[in-house]
Amino acid sequence: DAKTTQPNSMESNEEEPVHLPCNHSTISGTDYIHWYRQLPSQGPEYVIHGLTSNVNNRMASLAIAEDRKSSTLILHRATLRDAAVYYCILFSGTASKLTFGTGTRLQVTL
Amino acid sequence: DTEVTQTPKHLVMGMTNKKSLKCEQHMGHRAMYWYKQKAKKPPELMFVYSYEKLSINESVPSRFSPECPNSSLLNLHLHALQPEDSALYLCASSQVDLLPSGANVLTFGAGSRLTVL
Repeated sequence: DAKTTQPNSMESNEEEPVHLPCNHSTISGTDYIHWYRQLPSQGPEYVIHGLTSNVNNRMASLAIAEDRKSSTLILHRATLRDAAVYYCILFSGTASKLTFGTGTRLQVTL
Repeated sequence: DTEVTQTPKHLVMGMTNKKSLKCEQHMGHRAMYWYKQKAKKPPELMFVYSYEKLSINESVPSRFSPECPNSSLLNLHLHALQPEDSALYLCASSQVDLLPSGANVLTFGAGSRLTVL
């Protein structure tokens, strides 16, 4: 399975944008880039996914590099409820394996 | 209904007990997954069912026995567990027929926290 690399932790002030980076230099052509987050004491929650083009939804935006070897999850205005572990995952779906990496723990402060 | 429901939320069992974890979804998803998560670690895939057939077993010990009796229900039968099996067990489901398949999104339950004494 292709690997992703994320910073262990990041901090943000509330109401400010947050950019969470992810490197995936061994991504294959069929891999989608998925982001999930896990709030304390909850199961993971889908955030966003994309293949080549940048994507927006109500939760976040996903910016994908032109060579697809890196991506950035953008939370436009962080709130205290966004404090979670954010996982960047490559998923081809062909074997139905969605494999989690170590993730980035986001701390949001007032 | 957009939820995956897991029961029980908490389970304490001895090493000689037999117990089961249950997972249910009514979203019409035909893929269901079991993950295991130790404290402060990412979830680890255990099993994947596709159209009620086991498609992936990530070399999980036989003391964990999955079962998918129908398209809405997934069980994990537990027998002769060890204390190191104490963890949060997460169930998830997804479509399988959405193409391209990498676009399928998983919906997770809140998990069953297992403690083995």
